[in-house]
Amino acid sequence: AQSVTQLDSQVPVFEEAPVELRCNYSSSVSVYLFWYVQYPNQGLQLLLKYLSGSTLVKGINGFEAEFNKSQTSFHLRKPSVHISDTAEYFCAVKYSGAGSYQLTFGKGTKLSVIP
Amino acid sequence: DVKVTQSSRYLVKRTGEKVFLECVQDMDHENMFWYRQDPGLGLRLIYFSYDVKMKEKGDIPEGYSVSREKKERFSLILESASTNQTSMYLCASTPEGYGYTFGSGTRLTVV
Repeated sequence: AQSVTQLDSQVPVFEEAPVELRCNYSSSVSVYLFWYVQYPNQGLQLLLKYLSGSTLVKGINGFEAEFNKSQTSFHLRKPSVHISDTAEYFCAVKYSGAGSYQLTFGKGTKLSVIP
Repeated sequence: DVKVTQSSRYLVKRTGEKVFLECVQDMDHENMFWYRQDPGLGLRLIYFSYDVKMKEKGDIPEGYSVSREKKERFSLILESASTNQTSMYLCASTPEGYGYTFGSGTRLTVV
């Protein structure tokens, strides 16, 4: 079964420092990749997505992610975090297939920004 | 702005009760999903629907059923609520799978 692995369950980082949240997926077949953010007691909001084209994808709130097919990774980065970035982040993969609209989610990474 | 609306943010129910969680989307999306979210487990798919009156089991359908009588509405039903169904429930919809729109979630507590 396809899977998504977020390597860190919690990431503490000081304000204005850079951060990388790691995501690996299990299959090298054609995939679409997503990062979502969840603020406390809210639903998930799409940060960015990779469908095709450039492997560096820019999203909202200054986040970006790089698709690396050979390493089956899609790590999320931000060069300088703010207190408001404190949230849980989910990586998700849609594996290609006829009629397949399901996303497989990782277990999430809690980002804590320390003032 | 596109919207997925879950009717309740917080619910408290007693063990054995039949519970209905409602989700409505205004985007004319064919595909709708119900997930539950638990700490350390991420999001797990319960059921999904790709058309009116169509439903498919996800990874953890036991103890749940769904109803989709109209395109915009997808209901999750707990036939006889149990304490292990205490969780955050998230509804989502998508037209083609290139990105879901999520509702705000319903935090259900079963006592």
